[in-house]
Amino acid sequence: QQQVKQSPQSLIVQKGGISIINCAYENTAFDYFPWYQQFPGKGPALLIAIRPDVSEKKEGRFTISFNKSAKQFSLHIMDSQPGDSATYFCAAKKDRGSTLGRLYFGRGTQLTVWP
Amino acid sequence: DSGVTQTPKHLITATGQRVTLRCSPRSGDLSVYWYQQSLDQGLQFLIQYYNGEERAKGNILERFSAQQFPDLHSELNLSSLELGDSALYFCASSVATREGPSSYNEQFFGPGTRLTVL
Repeated sequence: QQQVKQSPQSLIVQKGGISIINCAYENTAFDYFPWYQQFPGKGPALLIAIRPDVSEKKEGRFTISFNKSAKQFSLHIMDSQPGDSATYFCAAKKDRGSTLGRLYFGRGTQLTVWP
Repeated sequence: DSGVTQTPKHLITATGQRVTLRCSPRSGDLSVYWYQQSLDQGLQFLIQYYNGEERAKGNILERFSAQQFPDLHSELNLSSLELGDSALYFCASSVATREGPSSYNEQFFGPGTRLTVL
């Protein structure tokens, strides 16, 4: 059972455009929502993360929007660049503040940014 | 570079064999997590160790086992290998070692070990 559902599976965006990846979850115990970026042959790298007590977090060209009532969150990549071409994973975790920390991952979105 | 190291980078073996994957966490991190990444299952949590003790278990087969040593490095042992065990195996470690509402224990991933079972 996939606890975090991610869409779309793949995304093609023109350079300079906005890339949007959506995720949804059911478990209200989740209290931390990170996004990871993975390049071929590499491990996932933490990109940006959000807590459920804020509705938006921005770091440079990357923004997470969080809708607690809808149990949805999304990643927006502004001014997308060819170097952003990678696979993006949303994830969720519960038990904030404890040493338990398993991440529940979405299935990933393969982003391609055309020059 | 996340600071998490994994060896070997690639491993090719035959069905029925046993292999050991090794992970060294970031300096100071007490938690180590193992994940399996495959095309059909995506990224799946296997097991977590905290300061030498098993802390949480996920979708880990009985043929698989892990341990964390006093120097905090961890090993994942895979035995009686099957074709379906071919995957990328990632180790991650937590940046935070404290408990409390302000700690999120962000996880940083190593480069992975690609296991191919022939």
